[in-house]
Amino acid sequence: AQKVTQAQTEISVVEKEDVTLDCVYETRDTTYYLFWYKQPPSGELVFLIRRNSFDEQNEISGRYSWNFQKSTSSFNFTITASQVVDSAVYFCALNEGTYKYIFGTGTRLKVLA
Amino acid sequence: DTGVSQDPRHKITKRGQNVTFRCDPISEHNRLYWYRQTLGQGPEFLTYFQNEAQLEKSRLLSDRFSAERPKGSFSTLEIQRTEQGDSAMYLCASRIGGATEAFFGQGTRLTVV
Repeated sequence: AQKVTQAQTEISVVEKEDVTLDCVYETRDTTYYLFWYKQPPSGELVFLIRRNSFDEQNEISGRYSWNFQKSTSSFNFTITASQVVDSAVYFCALNEGTYKYIFGTGTRLKVLA
Repeated sequence: DTGVSQDPRHKITKRGQNVTFRCDPISEHNRLYWYRQTLGQGPEFLTYFQNEAQLEKSRLLSDRFSAERPKGSFSTLEIQRTEQGDSAMYLCASRIGGATEAFFGQGTRLTVV
């Protein structure tokens, strides 16, 4: 069965600290896609990144970086030098190449000034 | 604004009343989703349309819920005889065929009193 686990319910950091959000997934398929979405207080889920199961290369986009490790079924998200505007709920999601997205329960990140 | 649009943003209704929500997907996106999100949880899949065809309904979608997508454009989600347990954020998302990331609207927050 497919499942996404985000064990960290809430994280608080002080501005400029680095923070890593964990995501562990379960799937029987060899082809799948992983995603991170950001949900600010306005409610809209904002797409951040997609990674397919055949591409384990880490990715960096500005202050954001993602570490995908198939060996541990993890797809972790690091924000470097966090800012107050990064405060939001972050969701990891799994799609096994079908149309359905399975979301984790989210991690609420609070960045304190 | 070329994003996914949902209307209304907020709805307060009395138990037993019917409500209808509307979603306008991104132009040319032929895949459309409805998700439900309760407090502290990740979005849960409700239903999926490919063009005007409703291809799957979750078991979460009781017979009080109905969704339509006439002509494969906008979609409506109707809840009949609302119950307090229906209180949630209802999210609509769309994607283009072949791509795998979905783009979400800002949601409709339903409160049943």
